[in-house]
Amino acid sequence: QSVLTQPPSVSGAPGQRVTISCTGGRADIGAGYDVHWYQQLPGRAPKLLISGNTNRPSGVPDRFSASTSGTSASLVITGLQADDEADYYCQSYGSSLSVFGTGTTLTVL
Amino acid sequence: QVQLEQSEADVKKPGASVRVSCKTSGFFFAAYYIHWVRQAPGQGLEWMGWINANNGDTIYAQKFQGRFTMTRDRSTRTAYMELTSLRSDDTAVYYCARADPGPYEFDFWGQGTLVSVPS
Repeated sequence: QSVLTQPPSVSGAPGQRVTISCTGGRADIGAGYDVHWYQQLPGRAPKLLISGNTNRPSGVPDRFSASTSGTSASLVITGLQADDEADYYCQSYGSSLSVFGTGTTLTVL
Repeated sequence: QVQLEQSEADVKKPGASVRVSCKTSGFFFAAYYIHWVRQAPGQGLEWMGWINANNGDTIYAQKFQGRFTMTRDRSTRTAYMELTSLRSDDTAVYYCARADPGPYEFDFWGQGTLVSVPS
């Protein structure tokens, strides 16, 4: 089963912009499967942040955006806020199976 | 509103089995897949498999083939997962999540069920 690779941690000061990468391969992101992103606050269930590569569900601020290119995807958070501090996961599919990224902890300095 | 309500936390001995339920409401159960995802303490999310709530067809992640079984009861709109021959490294929070049929996002999640298997 494939694995999507994310940086273990990123950080930024309030108001800054951070980018979280998600690297897959030809069997998953590169095969055209959509990438979805989730935010997991401490002690909580994951919450859908971005669906279908770029779409924000209702209620998700436009400070969160994402894109996909080739075998990789990126989540961008602008105007960092203290309550953005959380774990972030990408997710995609390959060969009928679902796969999550390794997860990234965002620290707001 | 869409809700997925999971069963309470459980403590099991090594070698035992555990069954976790995921009772749904607020949507047409049979129109969706229910996925199961686990998260060991301090670790990332791990996809376990999905069940087609309409016909009960299942797909399992290779790692979980054999000890892991997903079922559903359309009459009560409830999905179940059972994990047998429990080991200490099965200690984790187990989540159910809803998705449209196919390679789609998990748009609603249960609150999670902690299964502890002390060594």
